[in-house]
Amino acid sequence: NAGVTQTPKFRVLKTGQSMTLLCAQDMNHEYMYWYRQDPGMGLRLIHYSVGEGTTAKGEVPDGYNVSRLKKQNFLLGLESAAPSQTSVYFCASTQGGRSYEQYFGPGTRLTVT
Amino acid sequence: KQEVTQIPAALSVPEGENLVLNCSFTDSAIYNLQWFRQDPGKGLTSLLLIQSSQREQTSGRLNASLDKSSGRSTLYIAASQPGDSATYLCAVGAKSNFGNEKLTFGTGTRLTIIP
Repeated sequence: NAGVTQTPKFRVLKTGQSMTLLCAQDMNHEYMYWYRQDPGMGLRLIHYSVGEGTTAKGEVPDGYNVSRLKKQNFLLGLESAAPSQTSVYFCASTQGGRSYEQYFGPGTRLTVT
Repeated sequence: KQEVTQIPAALSVPEGENLVLNCSFTDSAIYNLQWFRQDPGKGLTSLLLIQSSQREQTSGRLNASLDKSSGRSTLYIAASQPGDSATYLCAVGAKSNFGNEKLTFGTGTRLTIIP
């Protein structure tokens, strides 16, 4: 049982390049989330999904797109990377509802130059 | 808008001491509150989840309390050990504008246990 995994762990992009971050969970969770963590700020929600085939915007969705084609996977895309997207990205999942804790992946450190 | 504050931002204590970490939030209409631990360069590990109807939760040397009316939670760590050194984050779960539950995070307290 690997929990929540993220690929890649590190990435350096040039401004304007694109990339996709992959999140996978093996706990059969319904809800999945993408957050970004920046120094001096709490984690902020980018996008989330409440089930296979569904996605929705969080607090800071601009510049990102997501897809949830399979229940276990949640992809985060950057179509045209900007230096402001330099951050650590975390994926999380939960069974859903108010009683369940969120489980986090190890993070992806992205630098955009 | 929910705001979550954790003070102090950093704390150093000698090994063996008991300590308390604080978390405050501005909107008491919450579903739950969760405490996480984050080691440098790592993801978040959930420590304790307190439902809005509960007053406290315990796990080993950790005890978390919740006072919704005053917008406060504390994480008590007994008999601290060097391995407890990490950043501790609290997150408040509440209804979002989108209808589902949303977590709002504090910026964390970086804890150092001095051997």
